[in-house]
Amino acid sequence: AQRVTQPEKLLSVFKGAPVELKCNYSYSGSPELFWYVQYSRQRLQLLLRHISRESIKGFTADLNKGETSFHLKKPFAQEEDSAMYYCALGGSEKLVFGKGTKLTVNP
Amino acid sequence: DAGITQSPRHKVTETGTPVTLRCHQTENHRYMYWYRQDPGHGLRLIHYSYGVKDTDKGEVSDGYSVSRSKTEDFLLTLESATSSQTSVYFCAIRGGVSYEQYFGPGTRLTVT
Repeated sequence: AQRVTQPEKLLSVFKGAPVELKCNYSYSGSPELFWYVQYSRQRLQLLLRHISRESIKGFTADLNKGETSFHLKKPFAQEEDSAMYYCALGGSEKLVFGKGTKLTVNP
Repeated sequence: DAGITQSPRHKVTETGTPVTLRCHQTENHRYMYWYRQDPGHGLRLIHYSYGVKDTDKGEVSDGYSVSRSKTEDFLLTLESATSSQTSVYFCAIRGGVSYEQYFGPGTRLTVT
């Protein structure tokens, strides 16, 4: 069965500090992993896809198949990064989402 | 925004009344999805469609029905709304070969 775990419901850091949002997945096939971001009362937006190996808004995420993880990282957090972050796993007709981590970046 | 709109954006209704939410896309994508978002539960899939008149249930489909009579529209109906269906409802579409989905702006539904 497909499963995504985001162990932290809440994460609070100070501006300029590094941030890491954890995501672990369970899937027997070849996964496609995504990170979505949702700013207050807005729609979910696709932030990163693992196949692109891109950096968006300073965020990166590396797929580690050995540890079945896809952690989201940013070296220097900004206040505008405060949002809800969801990790998602694709491998069938549906995406499986984690329950999300609310990131707060304090000034 | 991938050409996805939802209507209405906000609705307050009474328990026991029927409610229909509409999702409209302009990109001619095959797959469309309805989710609900609740604190502590994240996003949960209600129903999805993989083509005109082709739909399937998600993890929280009880109390909901859907219809897709044309590619661009996917309707979500609450036959008899209950307070437990107070939520924010998001529609999403899936584009090409990748599994990534793109979301609409959401509908905030309150059932009193």
